[in-house]
Amino acid sequence: DAKTTQPTSMDCAEGRAANLPCNHSTISGNEYVYWYRQIHSQGPQYIIHGLKNNETNEMASLIITEDRKSSTLILPHATLRDTAVYYCIVSPGGSQGNLIFGKGTKLSVKP
Amino acid sequence: DTAVSQTPKYLVTQMGNDKSIKCEQNLGHDTMYWYKQDSKKFLKIMFSYNNKELIINETVPNRFSPKSPDKAHLNLHINSLELGDSAVYFCASSPPQGTYNEQFFGPGTRLTVL
Repeated sequence: DAKTTQPTSMDCAEGRAANLPCNHSTISGNEYVYWYRQIHSQGPQYIIHGLKNNETNEMASLIITEDRKSSTLILPHATLRDTAVYYCIVSPGGSQGNLIFGKGTKLSVKP
Repeated sequence: DTAVSQTPKYLVTQMGNDKSIKCEQNLGHDTMYWYKQDSKKFLKIMFSYNNKELIINETVPNRFSPKSPDKAHLNLHINSLELGDSAVYFCASSPPQGTYNEQFFGPGTRLTVL
């Protein structure tokens, strides 16, 4: 079972920031927080990951609380192409850790 | 330029048949995976291979057999297909073992069993 809890769906206006929350209260010390997204009919796509510190890349920012029990993915300027299901996953580091996908958050970006 | 490719994209077949789905990655990755996404959109890992060796087998029926001829390929063979095997199957790969687990997914193969 997934170790994360996310809202089922969210809406965001085009051009505004999309803030997607995730709870992972049982996260272990060696587990990373990963975010993937799945655009309709496509394979999942890696977005970002973090361990303790906040992270930023060309796609998004990841804010992790100090106790690591929750995090927020931020898409700074959402576009219609960002409409997708966003998955928050906790998993140990290394390529042999399982990625256990939950139900994710369906983000709808509206014009 | 495709990083992870799968063939075929669509597969329609009758119950009881045997079919294969092919996966290839040109990223030089050591680890490859097969996932199944059912009609309720749950995405579950089925197998993981590292350098042609099975690492993860998540209680998948033995009708499903992955085969890795080399570390760039991980094919999925399914025997005696059942209605419940209808789903989208995704192949993925990840870099040599490092500090984190970024997986690259293929476009998926939609299998329909009639």
